Amino acid sequence: AQSVSQHNHHVILSEAASLELGCNYSYGGTVNLFWYVQYPGQHLQLLLKYFSGDPLVKGIKGFEAEFIKSKFSFNLRKPSVQWSDTAEYFCAVNERGSQGNLIFGKGTKLSVKP
Amino acid sequence: ETGVTQTPRHLVMGMTNKKSLKCEQHLGHNAMYWYKQSAKKPLELMFVYNFKEQTENNSVPSRFSPECPNSSHLFLHLHTLQPEDSALYLCASSHDPGGGGTDTQYFGPGTRLTVL
Repeated sequence: AQSVSQHNHHVILSEAASLELGCNYSYGGTVNLFWYVQYPGQHLQLLLKYFSGDPLVKGIKGFEAEFIKSKFSFNLRKPSVQWSDTAEYFCAVNERGSQGNLIFGKGTKLSVKP
Repeated sequence: ETGVTQTPRHLVMGMTNKKSLKCEQHLGHNAMYWYKQSAKKPLELMFVYNFKEQTENNSVPSRFSPECPNSSHLFLHLHTLQPEDSALYLCASSHDPGGGGTDTQYFGPGTRLTVL
């Protein structure tokens, strides 16, 4: 069965620090990969996604993620975080060709200190 | 504003009650989903509806009964729930899951359910 691991439960950074959130998945086939974000008091929303092409994907608000197939990883990065990036970040995966059945990680809470 | 609304936002019910959660999407999508988010656990997919037809039931107990009368509305009927069913129930929609699973899902705010 597919699973998604997010290694960090809570990350605390100061503004302007660089961010990398880890995500690993277990599935041997072809997958689609997603990062969703939930800002305080708001709905889950898509940050970025990858399904083919350039493995370095750029999303909203300066975020990017790199798909490394050999490592089954899809880590999220941002070179310089802002206080407004404080949120919970969820990695998700589904099987290519599936009907959108997303498998989510447990999420990583990011707190950015001003 | 995501275009997906859920009511009620909070619900407290006893184990013998019957209640329903409602989800409505205003995005013209064809697929709708129910997820369960429990404390310290990942979001769990419960049900998927595609063009009003249920295409996925992720081994959900029968005390949860979904209904999708049209592509814009999705209900989750609840009866004889257990305290461990207390969780945040999220609804989502996407344009066309037949696109190989690449579609973005748009989430509602959730219903916080407490079973006493």
